[in-house]
Amino acid sequence: GQNIDQPTEMTATEGAIVQINCTYQTSGFNGLFWYQQHAGEAPTFLSYNVLDGLEEKGRFSSFLSRSKGYSYLLLKELQMKDSASYLCAVIPLGGYNKLIFGAGTRLAVHP
Amino acid sequence: KAGVTQTPRYLIKTRGQQVTLSCSPISGHRSVSWYQQTPGQGLQFLFEYFSETQRNKGNFPGRFSGRQFSNSRSEMNVSTLELGDSALYLCASSGGSGGGEQYFGPGTRLTVT
Repeated sequence: GQNIDQPTEMTATEGAIVQINCTYQTSGFNGLFWYQQHAGEAPTFLSYNVLDGLEEKGRFSSFLSRSKGYSYLLLKELQMKDSASYLCAVIPLGGYNKLIFGAGTRLAVHP
Repeated sequence: KAGVTQTPRYLIKTRGQQVTLSCSPISGHRSVSWYQQTPGQGLQFLFEYFSETQRNKGNFPGRFSGRQFSNSRSEMNVSTLELGDSALYLCASSGGSGGGEQYFGPGTRLTVT
């Protein structure tokens, strides 16, 4: 099965950089995904990693190390609108589009 | 391109009743997945349909069922509602056959009293 762990809450300052970690114990997966969810809204896709390494998309980057069972989401030049929950998820092997989510990290950005 | 739509957005039902929720995927997407989100359990996978076939099912009782139509629209049904079924029900569509980006709809907020 899959067990995905993320910190429950984080706080950061506007303009700063924050790293949200995700560790997992899984028998294997096709890809690791990051989603953003503002309160009361649907999750929106941020990035995903299939291979080890860094994927960069503007202010957001995601890193994966399969050997270490570890991923992180890096948010640069934080803005107030980045206050949201960040969800780490995997699609298990043979899972087609079945996403298994972690509990999410609630990020609060303050001035 | 229109996004994923879900109807209704809000629903209040009584324990023991049944409910049907609808999801229209992004045009051209053939995969529709359903998720339940609660404060205690987070986001949990219910099932996925691709070209009218259920490919995957999560760990939910048989009271939860779904189907997909030839135009890729999907419905999920919950029978004999329980208080614990109160949740946000999200559907997501994907253009690929597996492993790619999924786009979520706004969700249906179900309250069971």
